[in-house]
Amino acid sequence: DIVMTQSPLSLSVTPGEPASISCRSSQSLLPINGYIRLDWYLQKPGQSPQLLIYWGSTRASGVPDRFSGSGSGTDFTLKISRVEAEDVGVYYCMQAVQTPPYTFGQGTKLEIK
Amino acid sequence: EVQLVESGGGLVQPGGSLRLSCAASGFSFSSYWMHWVRQGPGKELVWVSRINPDGSYTSYAESVKGRFTISRDNARNTVYLQMNSLRAEDTAVYYCTRDSYISEIYYGWDAWGHGTTVTVSS
Repeated sequence: DIVMTQSPLSLSVTPGEPASISCRSSQSLLPINGYIRLDWYLQKPGQSPQLLIYWGSTRASGVPDRFSGSGSGTDFTLKISRVEAEDVGVYYCMQAVQTPPYTFGQGTKLEIK
Repeated sequence: EVQLVESGGGLVQPGGSLRLSCAASGFSFSSYWMHWVRQGPGKELVWVSRINPDGSYTSYAESVKGRFTISRDNARNTVYLQMNSLRAEDTAVYYCTRDSYISEIYYGWDAWGHGTTVTVSS
């Protein structure tokens, strides 16, 4: 199984400042039909997860452009250019390349300073 | 509006059974793969099972294989998770989610239900 490892596991950010979350996979996530099946999800407090990014870098419908994803191979990054209060929650990366199983990272908890 | 609504959770004794349901609306249910994902108390998300659009293909996490069965009724726009031989470690919130895999292109899991809570305890 592919193991997804996120870092940091928590971060506290001042509103307006940037944030970055790393996600590393234990095996290279090779593109399928030209697309990397690496997603980012945000689970806001008390809510179910929501899709932020798919293909490693494409924002889902309605996701603000302050969110961006990048990476290839085994190293992926989610960046928030200017954190807002509504961005608090737990961020998860997930691989859908070598399945089953689909595997998530441990989650990164974002708090506002 | 795309909606997924789970039901069927509750308190069950170890060794017992539950059947979860996920009712879908607002989209062409029979065209989509569906998944169940669970989250133990204070824990991360864990994939449990998947089913293809016509219900002919299913997969399971090793931790539930042989105990859980996923199925779907496309006429009722509903996906199910039959859970048998439940253990304390199956205690979790169970989410159903839609896999936007269309024309062999993957677009992520773009719809999630609110979840239903399963507690396995004596």
